[in-house]
Amino acid sequence: KQEVTQIPAALSVPEGENLVLNCSFTDSAIYNLQWFRQDPGKGLTSLLLIQSSQREQTSGRLNASLDKSSGRSTLYIAASQPGDSATYLCAVEDGGSQGNLIFGKGTKLSVKP
Amino acid sequence: DVKVTQSSRYLVKRTGEKVFLECVQDMDHENMFWYRQDPGLGLRLIYFSYDVKMKEKGDIPEGYSVSREKKERFSLILESASTNQTSMYLCASSLIGIGYTFGSGTRLTVV
Repeated sequence: KQEVTQIPAALSVPEGENLVLNCSFTDSAIYNLQWFRQDPGKGLTSLLLIQSSQREQTSGRLNASLDKSSGRSTLYIAASQPGDSATYLCAVEDGGSQGNLIFGKGTKLSVKP
Repeated sequence: DVKVTQSSRYLVKRTGEKVFLECVQDMDHENMFWYRQDPGLGLRLIYFSYDVKMKEKGDIPEGYSVSREKKERFSLILESASTNQTSMYLCASSLIGIGYTFGSGTRLTVV
C-alpha cells in the first residue's frame, strides 16, 4: 500500500531564506506527483504538478523535483516571504489504487519577518 | 480559471439530521472526489466517481453516500449525522495529466 511521508512536520525560518521541503513515497508506480498549499481553515491550492516522466517543474520562486526510482520529491522555495507561511502537502496519484491521490501529512511552514 | 465550488463554507447540524454537501465543477472533468480532513489524520478519501451515475467507495465510506446525476455535480450525503462526522470536507475534481483541483472546503460541525 502506497505511503507518503513528509519531513519535517514543521519548519520555522527567517524571511529571505531558501528552503527545501521533502516528500518520499514507498511505491514508484505513480502517474504524477502534486504539491499543494493549504492556509488555515481553507481548501488546497495546487502549486506544481510533476508528471511521472518529468524530473522537475518550476513556477516563480518554487521548484519541485521528482526522482521516481528513489521515491523522492523536493519542493524548493527561494527567498521565502511571510506570505509563504502555510501547510504544504505532497500527494501522489497512485497507480495501484485506481489513480487516487495519496497524501502526506504536510509540512507546516512559518516564515518570520 | 478552473473552479470547484462547494456550496457552504460552514455548516452546523444536529445529530441524526440528513446532511447534503454539494460540489460543482466547471471544467468538464470526468473524476470527482470527496475527502475529509482531521488533525493528525490528514486527508482521507470517502467516495469518488469516474463518471455520471458511477461511484466507488474510498477508504472511509461508512456513514456516507454520494450522488452524481450530472457530470459537473457530486453530492456527499450524511444519512444520519453523528458527532464523529464533525470535520473539514473537501471536494476535488481531476483530469489525467492535469492533476487535481480542490474546492475551498466545508467545515461541518455536528452538535
